[in-house]
Amino acid sequence: EVQLVESGGGLVQPGGSLRLSCAASGFTFSNYAMSWVRQVPGKGLEWVSGIVAGGDDSYYADTVKGRFTISRDDSKNTLSLQMISLRDEDTAVYHCAQWNYSGSFDNWGQGTLVTVSS
Amino acid sequence: DIQVTQSPSSLSASVGDRVTITCRASQDISRWLTWYQQKPEKAPKSLIYAASSLQSGVPSRFSGSGSGTFFTLTISSLQPEDSATYYCQHYNEYPYTFGQGTKLEVK
Repeated sequence: EVQLVESGGGLVQPGGSLRLSCAASGFTFSNYAMSWVRQVPGKGLEWVSGIVAGGDDSYYADTVKGRFTISRDDSKNTLSLQMISLRDEDTAVYHCAQWNYSGSFDNWGQGTLVTVSS
Repeated sequence: DIQVTQSPSSLSASVGDRVTITCRASQDISRWLTWYQQKPEKAPKSLIYAASSLQSGVPSRFSGSGSGTFFTLTISSLQPEDSATYYCQHYNEYPYTFGQGTKLEVK
């Protein structure tokens, strides 16, 4: 069974930093592209960042480019998101998601809540 | 970046009705579009990928069509359990983007 478990969320002041992690199990992690998707409670989905299998290429939404860095450690089956210069509008539940090459995010974690507030 | 725009933002329909949700892309994305269903407090579930391919286990009352810049998700005969929010998402290239969502109420 595929499992994705996020951690690292919490309350942080504007301008602060936070590092999210996603522990993956139940599949060959290194073979899959992965992404972070966030959702403000009660609002829509926003794709944040993605990284290809192997980690050679990573991509970002314009709203986080230059502030967030996605990475992966295939030896530890872990996906990470380093977030700096956090803003109020970054407040959301952050999900990691496994990309199925047929064309969809097939597996999602339960999410970790990031709250940016003074 | 490619934007996708969904409509309507919400709709209400009765059991047995046929409903259609549309998604427009800001440029040609061929058939690289997925539809998701999300229920409260749950992760999104993929219904349709590659514009019209039904995911395994998804009821056949769900169907998708379109290519290029215009896509539709149709539910042929609404059931009470179809109450949810529906999202389209393109994957023509990074950055991927989701539509704004369509909240469907089944009366």
